[in-house]
Amino acid sequence: GAVVSQHPSWVICKSGTSVKIECRSLDFQATTMFWYRQFPKQSLMLMATSNEGSKATYEQGVEKDKFLINHASLTLSTLTVTSAHPEDSSFYICSAPIDGVGETQYFGPGTRLLVL
Amino acid sequence: DAKTTQPPSMDCAEGRAANLPCNHSTISGNEYVYWYRQIHSQGPQYIIHGLKNNETNEMASLIITEDRKSSTLILPHATLRDTAVYYCIVRGGGSYIPTFGRGTSLIVHP
Repeated sequence: GAVVSQHPSWVICKSGTSVKIECRSLDFQATTMFWYRQFPKQSLMLMATSNEGSKATYEQGVEKDKFLINHASLTLSTLTVTSAHPEDSSFYICSAPIDGVGETQYFGPGTRLLVL
Repeated sequence: DAKTTQPPSMDCAEGRAANLPCNHSTISGNEYVYWYRQIHSQGPQYIIHGLKNNETNEMASLIITEDRKSSTLILPHATLRDTAVYYCIVRGGGSYIPTFGRGTSLIVHP
């Protein structure tokens, strides 16, 4: 089946630093990818839609200058958490639709971020 | 997208069938019912989806009522590895972004 990978799987950083998370579709192309955030014991919350070759679309309440998204190719989207603070500590998950348009989504394994 | 209602938790004995219900009384004609699950500390996993006919794959069966206002995900022979949070999502009509509710936490016990 389709595979979506994320790197790194976990990261610990100091407050004020920036962290980049990569999301790759390994055996299919994805013009659109989605980024989610999940806090402990809560459900996934959509942060933004990453569009290849154009600007990302952010959900209400998500700061676009803090969570920079770059979808540079049909198989790679990156999320950069800039000037990270402890409240940004969370589980970040990306997904991509297998057919490039919608329908079934395949999710990455997630990246756990801990900001000290 | 139509709102879904799921019980917060269920448990099931290993080897028995796990039947997870979902209510989606406001579903519209072009909306599909999707099921995903999330094992602890992992990304969600697609399970199955359907429009109005019952569906079956290697993981599960999906039974959708005739009026489409509810559905049931069936894991025919649950194993300990099926312990996870199961999400029922209804979407369609061009809205293809899965929006997750609280889901059902299924615990499979020996």
